[in-house]
Amino acid sequence: SQKIEQNSEALNIQEGKTATLTCNYTNYSPAYLQWYRQDPGRGPVFLLLIRENEKEKRKERLKVTFDTTLKQSLFHITASQPADSATYLCALDNAGNNRKLIWGLGTSLAVNP
Amino acid sequence: EAGVTQFPSHSVIEKGQTVTLRCDPISGHDNLYWYRRVMGKEIKFLLHFVKESKQDESGMPNNRFLAERTGGTYSTLKVQPAELEDSGVYFCASSQVAFGGQVWRFYNEQFFGPGTRLTVL
Repeated sequence: SQKIEQNSEALNIQEGKTATLTCNYTNYSPAYLQWYRQDPGRGPVFLLLIRENEKEKRKERLKVTFDTTLKQSLFHITASQPADSATYLCALDNAGNNRKLIWGLGTSLAVNP
Repeated sequence: EAGVTQFPSHSVIEKGQTVTLRCDPISGHDNLYWYRRVMGKEIKFLLHFVKESKQDESGMPNNRFLAERTGGTYSTLKVQPAELEDSGVYFCASSQVAFGGQVWRFYNEQFFGPGTRLTVL
């Protein structure tokens, strides 16, 4: 069956450092991979989408890589800030007609001042 | 522009009762999705509307769940009768169909509501 794995343990880093989160998947060939941020008591908020034919995507301090051979995406936050503390979710998108998202459990990130 | 709204934010009901959740998507968004997150598990897809039509309802757990989207605007998700395992957070999301190049593409950035936390006792 399809499976998505994200770092299960919470990630604690110091302000100013780069946070790197991992998303691995099996038994799936997504056309797109999306990253969302979720704060407590709120719905997920879209951050970045990367296509299967793209190796890397950047948006301000965020960078996503997508390796379809390794079946892995890495999500980087550079110059991290305490406000970046949240849970980050990886979601796979098959680009079919229904475009439902298949989700990972998420990784909790805490940026310490 | 208003985001996706959901009502109620919380609902506590007894097993066997009926609950109806409502979602108002962003105006103009044809795609509407329902998802559910059970504690300790990942978010799971329930179903997808395109306007008023059900595009995919493969994630609906069983026939106790009924979703509607009359007129292609807001949507309701009714659980009748509710069971203990239905507890969780129900999220609604919407996205826009957009034209890119020579083909219609979904820009599938999905905008989520805050969720409805359902507790079945």
